[in-house]
Amino acid sequence: GDSVTQMEGPVTLSEEAFLTINCTYTATGYPSLFWYVQYPGEGLQLLLKATKADDKGSNKGFEATYRKETTSFHLEKGSVQVSDSAVYFCALSPDFSNTGKLIFGQGTTLQVKP
Amino acid sequence: EAGVVQSPRYKIIEKKQPVAFWCNPISGHNTLYWYLQNLGQGPELLIRYENEEAVDDSQLPKDRFSAERLKGVDSTLKIQPAELGDSAVYLCASSSPGATDTQYFGPGTRLTVL
Repeated sequence: GDSVTQMEGPVTLSEEAFLTINCTYTATGYPSLFWYVQYPGEGLQLLLKATKADDKGSNKGFEATYRKETTSFHLEKGSVQVSDSAVYFCALSPDFSNTGKLIFGQGTTLQVKP
Repeated sequence: EAGVVQSPRYKIIEKKQPVAFWCNPISGHNTLYWYLQNLGQGPELLIRYENEEAVDDSQLPKDRFSAERLKGVDSTLKIQPAELGDSAVYLCASSSPGATDTQYFGPGTRLTVL
C-alpha cells in the first residue's frame, strides 16, 4: 500500500543553519504531496504542497520539490529560526482519490537553538 | 475565522470506562475527519464525513469506537469501553467543499487510559 517515510529525528540545528528533512514515498500513479507542521500545543498546519511531478511548493522560506524519479519530497530551508522548532510531517494523498485521504509519515522533530 | 475546536484537550480515564470527544469544524467545511495519533507517529485516519454521512470508516474499530455527525456540523467520537492501548491523541480536521487536499486540524484531545 501507499506509505511515507521520513528521516529519524530529532534534528538539532543552530539558528541560521540550513535545513533538510528527507521524505520518500511509495504510491501508485501520481499522488499529491504535502508538508504539515505541528507547533507545540497546536494542531497540524499545512506548510506547503505539490500536486504534480517537478512542482515546487514553498511557504515561509520552506521549499520542497516533487521528484517522481526518486519518489522524494525533501523539505528545505536556507536559514532556520528558533521559531521553526516544531514537528514536521510529510504526507501524500493517493492519485485520483479526491477524497482528502492523507497518509502521513511518522514526523520529524526539529529543534533550533539560538 | 475560528479554527477547528476540540474538547476536552486532555482526558484521563480508567480502562473499561467510556469516553467521548467533541469537534466543531470551521464554519462552511462540509468534510470532517477524525484521526488517531500515537506517540511518535503520524496521524492515521479513523473516519471521514461528507456532511452527515460517514463515507470512509474502514479504519474505525467498530467493536468499541463509534462516531456521529448530526446535522452535518459538530461531531462526536466515542470509545466504549476504553482499553490501555487507546491512549493517544485524537485529532479532528475539516476541509471546505472541493478543497479536500487542504485540511485544517484542531489541537487534539490527549487521552490517557490507566
